[in-house]
Amino acid sequence: EDQVTQSPEALRLQEGESSSLNCSYTVSGLRGLFWYRQDPGKGPEFLFTLYSAGEEKEKERLKATLTKKESFLHITAPKPEDSATYLCAVRRRDDYKLSFGAGTTVTVRA
Amino acid sequence: EAEVAQSPRYKITEKSQAVAFWCDPISGHATLYWYRQILGQGPELLVQFQDESVVDDSQLPKDRFSAERLKGVDSTLKIQPAELGDSAMYLCASSKDTGSGYTFGSGTRLTVV
Repeated sequence: EDQVTQSPEALRLQEGESSSLNCSYTVSGLRGLFWYRQDPGKGPEFLFTLYSAGEEKEKERLKATLTKKESFLHITAPKPEDSATYLCAVRRRDDYKLSFGAGTTVTVRA
Repeated sequence: EAEVAQSPRYKITEKSQAVAFWCDPISGHATLYWYRQILGQGPELLVQFQDESVVDDSQLPKDRFSAERLKGVDSTLKIQPAELGDSAMYLCASSKDTGSGYTFGSGTRLTVV
């Protein structure tokens, strides 16, 4: 069975204080690893898809990386508007569905 | 920008009553998903449609939940009867193909009292 574990559960940062979120996964035949951002009371918003170990993608202050066992989401010089829950999900080659982790809730204080 | 439409945004219902949620995916997206997200957890798949056909409903509690997508476009998820443990966010998502990330709707927040 696919397993996705995110850490830490919660992260409090000062504005400008860079940090990383971790997503460890176990899946047979990874098709892709996905990162989403979710604001309170809203649906998840797609950020990145990573397909193979060594791949990196960036968007504004966010950078996602992938190894064979985990993915990191780096937040560089965060701003208060980066406060959200960040969800990681995996998809197997033989399936359409995404299996999600529980998320990391990031709070950035001004 | 194209969106997945869901209604209602919020629903409060009494235990044992029936409740229904509606979803209109992005035009041209053949694959539609219903997920349930309990507070503090990640979304979990309830049912997946490819056009009008159910591809995966293995996690759908079929004694009380039903889902349909009659014309392969919009979809309805129904719960009858609702139980206290059904309180959650119900998310609809659609995708163009298997390589794409889903686009989620804003969800329906269900509270069963």
